[in-house]
Amino acid sequence: DTAVSQTPKYLVTQMGNDKSIKCEQNLGHDTMYWYKQDSKKFLKIMFSYNNKELIINETVPNRFSPKSPDKAHLNLHINSLELGDSAVYFCASSHSGRGEQYFGPGTRLTVT
Amino acid sequence: ELKVEQNPLFLSMQEGKNYTIYCNYSTTSDRLYWYRQDPGKSLESLFVLLSNGAVKQEGRLMASLDTKARLSTLHITAAVHDLSATYFCAVVLTGGTSYGKLTFGQGTILTVHP
Repeated sequence: DTAVSQTPKYLVTQMGNDKSIKCEQNLGHDTMYWYKQDSKKFLKIMFSYNNKELIINETVPNRFSPKSPDKAHLNLHINSLELGDSAVYFCASSHSGRGEQYFGPGTRLTVT
Repeated sequence: ELKVEQNPLFLSMQEGKNYTIYCNYSTTSDRLYWYRQDPGKSLESLFVLLSNGAVKQEGRLMASLDTKARLSTLHITAAVHDLSATYFCAVVLTGGTSYGKLTFGQGTILTVHP
């Protein structure tokens, strides 16, 4: 069974489009995260949710909007995509903010 | 703001040799993680270090934590090709608005040659 899953795995789209990435975890965790890994492999947190409540909102353009319909799901919607949004986006989950974080397989977003 | 720095960023090793990757961080933290990432893959948790003096070993990898020096090391013993990957350390601040936020080092790209 996949612990943290993301869809889609690959996403190729044009500038200006709107797209969503979905994340689901079946670990029973109450905290979920979105991280961005850029072309130099640097990883940075974007958002975290605890029990569907937004906890961390890093300096991310407001074109990015996370949504957590329940504790097991955290989706990321991106409006008006730009070339600089091209990256790999990882979802993760943990038991509270103190637990070890388990990462999903990643979504490679390419904006052309 | 918490800063996490790894060195070296690139490491080319011969099989059978030993080497150490260093991870320095700037602010007091009570937990540090080491992850491995293969090309095109997700992050795999290797070690969780929770206290000063903690040492953990798995196969040819050994990680340690010195919270007073704000330093963690990942030691590789008798490297084999299968260890080729990118290794990240990550530190978490567990209080206040930093709830669960992992701050990553830049990553160390390890290549093991025959």
